[in-house]
Amino acid sequence: DAKTTQPTSMDCAEGRAANLPCNHSTISGNEYVYWYRQIHSQGPQYIIHGLKNNETNEMASLIITEDRKSSTLILPHATLRDTAVYYCIVRTYGQNFVFGPGTRLSVLP
Amino acid sequence: DADVTQTPRNRITKTGKRIMLECSQTKGHDRMYWYRQDPGLGLRLIYYSFDVKDINKGEISDGYSVSRQAQAKFSLSLESAIPNQTALYFCATSEAGVTDTQYFGPGTRLTVL
Repeated sequence: DAKTTQPTSMDCAEGRAANLPCNHSTISGNEYVYWYRQIHSQGPQYIIHGLKNNETNEMASLIITEDRKSSTLILPHATLRDTAVYYCIVRTYGQNFVFGPGTRLSVLP
Repeated sequence: DADVTQTPRNRITKTGKRIMLECSQTKGHDRMYWYRQDPGLGLRLIYYSFDVKDINKGEISDGYSVSRQAQAKFSLSLESAIPNQTALYFCATSEAGVTDTQYFGPGTRLTVL
């Protein structure tokens, strides 16, 4: 069974914030939330990860709800180059990464 | 990520041929992985290696074998290629640790005719 649920696709206007949701209602206490993206057919690119607290880096912000059952990846100012498939992955140390179908984000001019 | 390289980048072969895909990394990571991706789908794990003497089967290892020649090199072989092995193949590396984030190579597009 999939550990995460993501919308199949989303659109975002260029320059606006892109908010990508992910549901992980069965997450356990030692499981991290990771986000990767894949631009066209390139290798997946690591974006960010977190356990409980919200995280921010140069690429994005990760907001995790207090009950940890869902999270949102935020790209603050989306550009056309952010058009990609975004994968939300939940796993703990020692587990393999499981890449589902992800969310196809289209950034529109 | 230039730290993880894959060769070849594209390969067309015929059914029954033996094919080797190679992966090299300069990140100094102990862990290496092979995934395949079919059109419109997520990645599936084929094999992984936590160090030179450690090889483990992933979700879809049938029809594949691997060799970890050194810390920096991990090869994937298709002993007798078949058309349904046509896919994108990705190598990844990670450093042992609590989160062991994986970093991916650019991929190899393999077509089996």
